[in-house]
Amino acid sequence: NAGVTQTPKFQVLKTGQSMTLQCAQDMNHNSMYWYRQDPGMGLRLIYYSASEGTTDKGEVPNGYNVSRLNKREFSLRLESAAPSQTSVYFCASSEAAGAAGYTFGSGTRLTVV
Amino acid sequence: EDQVTQSPEALRLQEGESSSLNCSYTVSGLRGLFWYRQDPGKGPEFLFTLYSAGEEKEKERLKATLTKKESFLHITAPKPEDSATYLCAVLNSGGYQKVTFGTGTKLQVIP
Repeated sequence: NAGVTQTPKFQVLKTGQSMTLQCAQDMNHNSMYWYRQDPGMGLRLIYYSASEGTTDKGEVPNGYNVSRLNKREFSLRLESAAPSQTSVYFCASSEAAGAAGYTFGSGTRLTVV
Repeated sequence: EDQVTQSPEALRLQEGESSSLNCSYTVSGLRGLFWYRQDPGKGPEFLFTLYSAGEEKEKERLKATLTKKESFLHITAPKPEDSATYLCAVLNSGGYQKVTFGTGTKLQVIP
């Protein structure tokens, strides 16, 4: 099915380990986003890419880096994981930045111990 | 700073019992207000975008309305399959493409 694909679905890391969350969309969307969702906090924007070749910080970028590999793929890297990064991570895409409605992936549930 | 407050936090309805969910917002120039549905263990699913006060959108048993300060998601004669968390979000008109999400209303519809 067309949409946003995230891998992995679940991950457990030890404090200090690194990992990359992968995201790919097949809808030819220009803009892509990484959010984290924590209980009682709502979805918070980590980084976004308005178009291929550009990336910008969101609300909570500390401890993360991103790469817009091509129009389809947008990855999120945790260089040195911390327990505070335990969360559910969602990738999303839209036709253009601020366009009506995002398409979200199914999420990555990350636990840092 | 943009703010979105959703109420109630949780709502339990009998099948067929209509009700409304509220989304109050403060934003520096509203560019769009979005409603999403989120099922457990899944990503949010886009429902509606509203752009200006007075606008309404409908989809099956759901109807979203917008005023200058709040939006309502009306659910008419709900069914158990309408059980989900409903999220509201706003996009401001500034150059920073930031969508602010509320924390959601968890709806349970009992047969």
